[in-house]
Amino acid sequence: AQKITQTQPGMFVQEKEAVTLDCTYDTSDPSYGLFWYKQPSSGEMIFLIYQGSYDQQNATEGRYSLNFQKARKSANLVISASQLGDSAMYFCAMRERRAGGTSYGKLTFGQGTILTVHP
Amino acid sequence: DGGITQSPKYLFRKEGQNVTLSCEQNLNHDAMYWYRQDPGQGLRLIYYSQIVNDFQKGDIAEGYSVSREKKESFPLTVTSAQKNPTAFYLCASSTSGGGANVLTFGAGSRLTVL
Repeated sequence: AQKITQTQPGMFVQEKEAVTLDCTYDTSDPSYGLFWYKQPSSGEMIFLIYQGSYDQQNATEGRYSLNFQKARKSANLVISASQLGDSAMYFCAMRERRAGGTSYGKLTFGQGTILTVHP
Repeated sequence: DGGITQSPKYLFRKEGQNVTLSCEQNLNHDAMYWYRQDPGQGLRLIYYSQIVNDFQKGDIAEGYSVSREKKESFPLTVTSAQKNPTAFYLCASSTSGGGANVLTFGAGSRLTVL
């Protein structure tokens, strides 16, 4: 079963508008972390935002915010006031606690969403 | 400036040849990772290492090998046993232990098998 699901292969948004990129996840561990990364055409992965499973408030970083709905197991990324430079692939990822331990394991990525910002 | 250096950026290989991708970090991170990305796809974990001289297989380790002799270095060898090695390879590092630790990525190496 997919641990991380991003159902939108591609999204389009007008410059200066807001856009929401969807992410749902699957885990039975009560302690986990959720991440969003941006990958421009150059290929490098850029960290955007993090949300811990026990965090009470939705994470925000500048124009990025994470709409965390724990009961629905969703962690959607909201980009406000889109800019042309936001055009890129966006990945949602999750890190779970290792089975039987307190340390944390690998980061599992979704398939990604390509965002195109139109002028 | 601290970061991760991957080399080479582009690599061409003939079938049957082993190739080694370099990954060096000066972030003093304990953990290092190798991911593979195919066109239009997400990242899949090949190998990771939480500490020097120790590493674990990821989801797609077959046909790959790694070593971790120094904290700063985590080279990946793509062997001739890897049936479809053409892909974009990303190395990453992080501090170890906590669930909030962010992975820092290198710029990637693009391998093409001719």
